[in-house]
Amino acid sequence: DVKVTQSSRYLVKRTGEKVFLECVQDMDHENMFWYRQDPGLGLRLIYFSYDVKMKEKGDIPEGYSVSREKKERFSLILESASTNQTSMYLCASSRPTGEQFFGPGTRLTVL
Amino acid sequence: EDQVTQSPEALRLQEGESSSLNCSYTVSGLRGLFWYRQDPGKGPEFLFTLYSAGEEKEKERLKATLTKKESFLHITAPKPEDSATYLCAVRDDYKLSFGAGTTVTVRA
Repeated sequence: DVKVTQSSRYLVKRTGEKVFLECVQDMDHENMFWYRQDPGLGLRLIYFSYDVKMKEKGDIPEGYSVSREKKERFSLILESASTNQTSMYLCASSRPTGEQFFGPGTRLTVL
Repeated sequence: EDQVTQSPEALRLQEGESSSLNCSYTVSGLRGLFWYRQDPGKGPEFLFTLYSAGEEKEKERLKATLTKKESFLHITAPKPEDSATYLCAVRDDYKLSFGAGTTVTVRA
């Protein structure tokens, strides 16, 4: 079974803090993704990566950056957290055929 | 731009009452349509991939079908544990475009 893990299930941070969300997959997938999910807005793609050290902006990259130094690990960075970044963050990796497999999610609250 | 529309937004069923969820899409050249189940507070769980019109996939009480413009997820004799949000998505190069989902509640 594909396993995608995320570093935290719940996280509380203060406005202005730098926040790191880590994601690890164990299926040797090339592609990895970061989404946020908000009520009424659905899943929105923040960034994705199709290879080590490669990244592409998704639909809502503002205020975020990413890092992919190893194939199995994809990190999402909030440079200076703001209250409007309070959300559920979901990481996924995908097969070459497109099926994405998601982690359990990180519920981030920015106070 | 790819568009995925799911209906209805919410569906309340009695246990055993079969029903269908709709996913309509506009995409130039379908490279896969995907169904997911999501429980509250959790990540989406992959269910099915469909590639071509006429294709069907089944898993327990769920059956997904595909036409050239839409997909249906049929829930046969649902049980309370089938309560979840069901998402569909279409493939666009590396990415998936997701619909807003249908939230299904099955009452005992």
